[in-house]
Amino acid sequence: DVKVTQSSRYLVKRTGEKVFLECVQDMDHENMFWYRQDPGLGLRLIYFSYDVKMKEKGDIPEGYSVSREKKERFSLILESASTNQTSMYLCAIRGANQPQHFGDGTRLSIL
Amino acid sequence: AQSVTQLGSHVSVSEGALVLLRCNYSSSVPPYLFWYVQYPNQGLQLLLKYTSAATLVKGINGFEAEFKKSETSFHLTKPSAHMSDAAEYFCAVSDGTGGGNKLTFGTGTQLKVEL
Repeated sequence: DVKVTQSSRYLVKRTGEKVFLECVQDMDHENMFWYRQDPGLGLRLIYFSYDVKMKEKGDIPEGYSVSREKKERFSLILESASTNQTSMYLCAIRGANQPQHFGDGTRLSIL
Repeated sequence: AQSVTQLGSHVSVSEGALVLLRCNYSSSVPPYLFWYVQYPNQGLQLLLKYTSAATLVKGINGFEAEFKKSETSFHLTKPSAHMSDAAEYFCAVSDGTGGGNKLTFGTGTQLKVEL
């Protein structure tokens, strides 16, 4: 079974804090993705990575950065958290000729 | 550019009734199409995918979808709804090419199943 592990299910942070969301996979897949999910907007791609140290911006990268130092781990960083970044964050992975598989998500609240 | 439109943000059916969730896509190249389901407080789970083989695709939990190029549609159906089908459903499209094979998602349809 594919396993995509997101470090926290629920997280509460304060405005201005630097926030790290971690995603770890056990499938040795090249491609990893970060989405945010908001009611009525579906899932929107923030960043993705197709190899170690490689990244590309998605549709809504502003206010976020990412890090992929090892193949199995893809981190999403909120440089200075703001209340409009309160959302559900979903990590996904994809192998060659495979569909995307998702983690259970992190529900992040910024107060 | 590609996009997905899901008609109806909320759909309600009776248990045992037909489930029909609508998805229309726009793509400049032959699309790859997916349906995902999300149960409360969980991530997305793949229901089924279309990748240019058979136009009628069968998925898990009794769901199926038919790719209709002339209508640019990929509607999801299930003959008989069960209470356990209550969830949010997302249609997604990909152009199947490189760059991580990005998905573009619709805004989702919340399915309610009533007794």
